[in-house]
Amino acid sequence: TQLLEQSPQFLSIQEGENLTVYCNSSSVFSSLQWYRQEPGEGPVLLVTVVTGGEVKKLKRLTFQFGDARKDSSLHITAAQPGDTGLYLCAGQISNFGNEKLTFGTGTRLTIIP
Amino acid sequence: GAGVSQSPRYKVAKRGQDVALRCDPISGHVSLFWYQQALGQGPEFLTYFQNEAQLDKSGLPSDRFFAERPEGSVSTLKIQRTQQEDSAVYLCASTLLGAGGWRETQYFGPGTRLLVL
Repeated sequence: TQLLEQSPQFLSIQEGENLTVYCNSSSVFSSLQWYRQEPGEGPVLLVTVVTGGEVKKLKRLTFQFGDARKDSSLHITAAQPGDTGLYLCAGQISNFGNEKLTFGTGTRLTIIP
Repeated sequence: GAGVSQSPRYKVAKRGQDVALRCDPISGHVSLFWYQQALGQGPEFLTYFQNEAQLDKSGLPSDRFFAERPEGSVSTLKIQRTQQEDSAVYLCASTLLGAGGWRETQYFGPGTRLLVL
């Protein structure tokens, strides 16, 4: 059972377009992370957001944590073929201790040259 | 090595066979996690170790799944009497300490892709 729902599940767009991926839950998380996973590899951390309403930018990627800390979004500007991959959001309930990650269902992004 | 390594990378098993999947965490990392990733899904937590102690095994789907980390470094995930629904990618991740929540990055290995026929 996955508590984090991502949408869309699949997204295929042309190079240069903008896109937004959503991660929603009915649960409150102390932190929300975004990962990117390439075929045959494990997820790689892109960013962590911890404060409600927080916005972080990583080059052309903008991440936002919802005010209530139940949802998050990833916006990519001027998508490039190198952005192709599986994007996963993952939440942690606690701020401390050892915390397993609760992953979302994933968004498979394909950027067409 | 520089990262988390897992072996084998691919495993094909006949239904009913036992399999053992190995994880070598980053040297010195105290905490180790196992996740299961079904096709087209996000990873799901299986179990967690701090050194050799298995502190959380709430995600193991049945008593056919068993994990160990006897010396606090390498870990093995064993699946007995494999079934078709066990087909998935099994990911291992490690963190340096495991006491800092989100402050500690989980570094993932490439996974073992298990196919049960």
